[in-house]
Amino acid sequence: DGGITQSPKYLFRKEGQNVTLSCEQNLNHDAMYWYRQDPGQGLRLIYYSQIVNDFQKGDIAEGYSVSREKKESFPLTVTSAQKNPTAFYLCASSPRAGGDTGELFFGEGSRLTVL
Amino acid sequence: SQQGEEDPQALSIQEGENATMNCSYKTSINNLQWYRQNSGRGLVHLILIRSNEREKHSGRLRVTLDTSKKSSSLLITASRAADTASYFCATDAGSGNKLIFGAGTRLAVHP
Repeated sequence: DGGITQSPKYLFRKEGQNVTLSCEQNLNHDAMYWYRQDPGQGLRLIYYSQIVNDFQKGDIAEGYSVSREKKESFPLTVTSAQKNPTAFYLCASSPRAGGDTGELFFGEGSRLTVL
Repeated sequence: SQQGEEDPQALSIQEGENATMNCSYKTSINNLQWYRQNSGRGLVHLILIRSNEREKHSGRLRVTLDTSKKSSSLLITASRAADTASYFCATDAGSGNKLIFGAGTRLAVHP
């Protein structure tokens, strides 16, 4: 079935460690996104990519890094520079880049807890 | 920066009642979208309304858009317990192919 797969679903990290969250899509979508959600809050945009080998910072990019080496993959690294990384991370994709932003398709999320 | 703000933050109703959620935003938009999120899950797209549209329907959902007031509303008619979820509005402000989400409305529908 087509969709977006995020892994792992739950992740625990010690302070000072980097961690990478995986996001894979088989929808042949051009654009991919990473959002962060804190309890009872909305989604805040971390990074987004409209095409392979290109990505842009969102509103809260500090302490995060991404890569887009393949169309179907958009991994997010939470670095030790991120001061408050405990959150629910959501990856999404949309069919095309450019023009109006259409419907986003979301994965099931990865919950990161820093111990 | 948050573009959309939902109101109310939380809503509790009985099955069969209608639920209305509102979203206000700050800048001009290309489109506005509504999403649903069940607890601990990803978001699911419900409906998209373009800036030149005033009303849109999908099943039990009715969305209105008033660009002069920079506001939108989502109406769920004849609500069911399964409608219990958080509902978010998101706006495409034409600034680089991205959506900005509001903080959401938590809807609880009691049997």
